[in-house]
Amino acid sequence: QSVLTQPPSVSGAPGQRVTISCTGSSSNIGAGYDVHWYQQLPGTAPRLLIYGDSNRPSGVPDRFSGSKSGTSASLAITGLQVEDEADYYCQSYDISLRDVVFGGGTKLTVL
Amino acid sequence: QVHMVQSGPEVKKPGASVKVSCKAFGYTFTNYGVTWVRQAPGQGLEWVGWISTYENKTNYVQKFQGRVTMTTDTSTSTAYMELRSLRSDDTAVYYCAREDDWFDPWGQGTLVTVSA
Repeated sequence: QSVLTQPPSVSGAPGQRVTISCTGSSSNIGAGYDVHWYQQLPGTAPRLLIYGDSNRPSGVPDRFSGSKSGTSASLAITGLQVEDEADYYCQSYDISLRDVVFGGGTKLTVL
Repeated sequence: QVHMVQSGPEVKKPGASVKVSCKAFGYTFTNYGVTWVRQAPGQGLEWVGWISTYENKTNYVQKFQGRVTMTTDTSTSTAYMELRSLRSDDTAVYYCAREDDWFDPWGQGTLVTVSA
């Protein structure tokens, strides 16, 4: 059971927009800790997609965006492409556990 | 460019120990921490712990306390993670990553297989 809750799967057609939620609590996201997002393509290591809730590292297309409100965060992907098919993970810090915490991951299928 | 290169796959018997290395390239090693994350087959990401490369301070997830040791060699910009008393459920890909609150970049991963 992950401390941060993500939907196991989402899907969309090429060109569409999808969002992936990441729900936490008052001891992590709700306490103001930053949320970071990672993309893991099949058979590869994760790569940073969004840091500090809504910032994109250089090289990440502006089709990817992040937001946070209250005890939840969201990753939005617009203009879906087949190569976006991957697993996506959110990550934050939990003050009660004093640990880094990950979401369980969301598998994105591009139909 | 900035990247991390990990050691190769390992096969160990239950009860044995494994030591995985992670060499950093393209930045000043002591300016960032190194974090370790594992991923069991078909499962999500699990944080194992973190080491400060500047002062060798560590923070391990409680479930690994007493079994894991993270160290660094600043002369070679290399971080190490040793896991002892291996069990079958330690079978996973172990990743290192440069830590700056977020994790970037990640190493390519090291598959550790624990099997009798």
